[in-house]
Amino acid sequence: DQQVKQNSPSLSVQEGRISILNCDYTNSMFDYFLWYKKYPAEGPTFLISISSIKDKNEDGRFTVFLNKSAKHLSLHIVPSQPGDSAVYFCAASALSPGGKLIFGQGTELSVKP
Amino acid sequence: DTGVSQNPRHKITKRGQNVTFRCDPISEHNRLYWYRQTLGQGPEFLTYFQNEAQLEKSRLLSDRFSAERPKGSFSTLEIQRTEQGDSAMYLCASRPGTSGVETQYFGPGTRLLVL
Repeated sequence: DQQVKQNSPSLSVQEGRISILNCDYTNSMFDYFLWYKKYPAEGPTFLISISSIKDKNEDGRFTVFLNKSAKHLSLHIVPSQPGDSAVYFCAASALSPGGKLIFGQGTELSVKP
Repeated sequence: DTGVSQNPRHKITKRGQNVTFRCDPISEHNRLYWYRQTLGQGPEFLTYFQNEAQLEKSRLLSDRFSAERPKGSFSTLEIQRTEQGDSAMYLCASRPGTSGVETQYFGPGTRLLVL
């Protein structure tokens, strides 16, 4: 039972353009969502998060949008840079009981110069 | 460096051997999590501690796996009688216990290869 899904295994974008990564979830008990970036042979690095009481959170070039009715969130990166090339994971948690994260399968972003 | 650290970074072992991994969380983070990641998948939750208490274990954590956090600081994950299916990246993460602070910070992981 995949509670968090990233249906696009890969995405290729031109440098300077917008990258949009999508994520869907099924469990309405999730109340916190996070995006992580991962390079090969390294642990995930936290990027940005959003609480379920909000529909948008912005941090520099990164914006996360949450559509609770559709159980969908997206990460926008503008403008995309070659250094953004990595695997991006969305994750969800419920505050109770322990805040464990449920991850999607990841989307590999390639930003071409 | 005040991030999460994990040792060793790589481990190659033969089937049937026991292995132990160590995680040192960020200071004063009283929640510590273990995850496992296999190729092409996202990290999967294994277990978590609040201070020294192990509060949740995934059904992925068979009886060959044991985790400890004896003094509420570092944690160890031991796999007994390793199998080839145990080959994966083992990730540790920590976060404050404060309610509303949900972000977990990950270490670099330990990559295990069972031959």
